[in-house]
Amino acid sequence: GAVVSQHPSWVICKSGTSVKIECRSLDFQATTMFWYRQFPKQSLMLMATSNEGSKATYEQGVEKDKFLINHASLTLSTLTVTSAHPEDSSFYICSASWLWDTEAFFGQGTRLTVV
Amino acid sequence: QKEVEQNSGPLSVPEGAIASLNCTYSDRGSQSFFWYRQYSGKSPELIMSIYSNGDKEDGRFTAQLNKASQYVSLLIRDSQPSDSATYLCAVLRNNAGNMLTFGGGTRLMVKP
Repeated sequence: GAVVSQHPSWVICKSGTSVKIECRSLDFQATTMFWYRQFPKQSLMLMATSNEGSKATYEQGVEKDKFLINHASLTLSTLTVTSAHPEDSSFYICSASWLWDTEAFFGQGTRLTVV
Repeated sequence: QKEVEQNSGPLSVPEGAIASLNCTYSDRGSQSFFWYRQYSGKSPELIMSIYSNGDKEDGRFTAQLNKASQYVSLLIRDSQPSDSATYLCAVLRNNAGNMLTFGGGTRLMVKP
């Protein structure tokens, strides 16, 4: 399957700081990238859908000014958690797909801990 | 009604048995269906995709799709302890571009 690389795998940051997470499609051009958040023992929660060159579409209840998404190229999308707080501590996962009606491939995930 | 529903489990089966995981979806126009496996603390990995009614087999895994009844299932033959994970059903709904809708997942426990 296609390879999606997410970086970093884990990060610890101080409350009030910002953290940037990168999601790269290594062997294909991703028309769309998705960002999910997953709290312990809960299912994936879609945060936003990101299309290259356009503004991300955020799910209801997700603050777009807090979770900044940039999809500058067909192989890279970034999620920046701004002014992070302990309640933002979670497992953030990106996925990417390259065609309509195809499966999505997931990055390894980033475990964020805000202290 | 949730768009994609799964029994959260846990589903416990003995080693060597067949594990049967079920998923129902609400959008009758859905075209593509996927099963992902997620180990604790890891991101999901794709196991199977199925697009037409019937069975699709890949090794120990068989996906079954019944569009008339709006359900999709995953059978795991000769279950192994390493199959213990959460299994996510995902549906590509009609007119949703390439955005998958996930079920809540079923936790499978295979006991030695």
